[in-house]
Amino acid sequence: EAGVAQSPRYKIIEKRQSVAFWCNPISGHATLYWYQQILGQGPKLLIQFQNNGVVDDSQLPKDRFSAERLKGVDSTLKIQPAKLEDSAVYLCASSYSGKQETQYFGPGTRLLVL
Amino acid sequence: SQQGEEDPQALSIQEGENATMNCSYKTSINNLQWYRQNSGRGLVHLILIRSNEREKHSGRLRVTLDTSKKSSSLLITASRAADTASYFCATDTFYNTDKLIFGTGTRLQVFP
Repeated sequence: EAGVAQSPRYKIIEKRQSVAFWCNPISGHATLYWYQQILGQGPKLLIQFQNNGVVDDSQLPKDRFSAERLKGVDSTLKIQPAKLEDSAVYLCASSYSGKQETQYFGPGTRLLVL
Repeated sequence: SQQGEEDPQALSIQEGENATMNCSYKTSINNLQWYRQNSGRGLVHLILIRSNEREKHSGRLRVTLDTSKKSSSLLITASRAADTASYFCATDTFYNTDKLIFGTGTRLQVFP
């Protein structure tokens, strides 16, 4: 079974530029999560999708971050414009239905904002 | 905000020794999970323990949960160099069982 795929693996941009990350969850998984992990900290949930609907985006900085999952499969997370403090690893995870289940994580995208 | 706090922040041991990590959390939960993260890679699920369980085993892993103290421990027995990683506890919240809140992590170094 293929795991969660993410691209790119690394990205370096300058502040005020925009960037987009892509995630393809495990086939058949209805729930998709985006996390932000700042160096030395645990992952923090940014947004959770159930199929193509948003379940929780309470910690997503909506003035600069956006995410979509139009067909209920793959998803993109965008930052526009980026700030220095956005430097982090962005992790995508998926689970079958989300209900108290194991989440399967992708390798992450490491973003550096200069 | 962080729900869980792991202790210690870092742990160094020799191969063959046992490693114990602790996690404390703040609010009532339905379940608690432990994840491992190798350097530069994504997280891997290790074990889930529900709020009505006190102890659970999986291979060399033993997890305990004390809901009265809002704490959990992860014991890795007979550690190996390959166990070198960061370990995170993650809890749901009683009002939202889909949402995981991760702790700050314990960095474990196992020396051959």
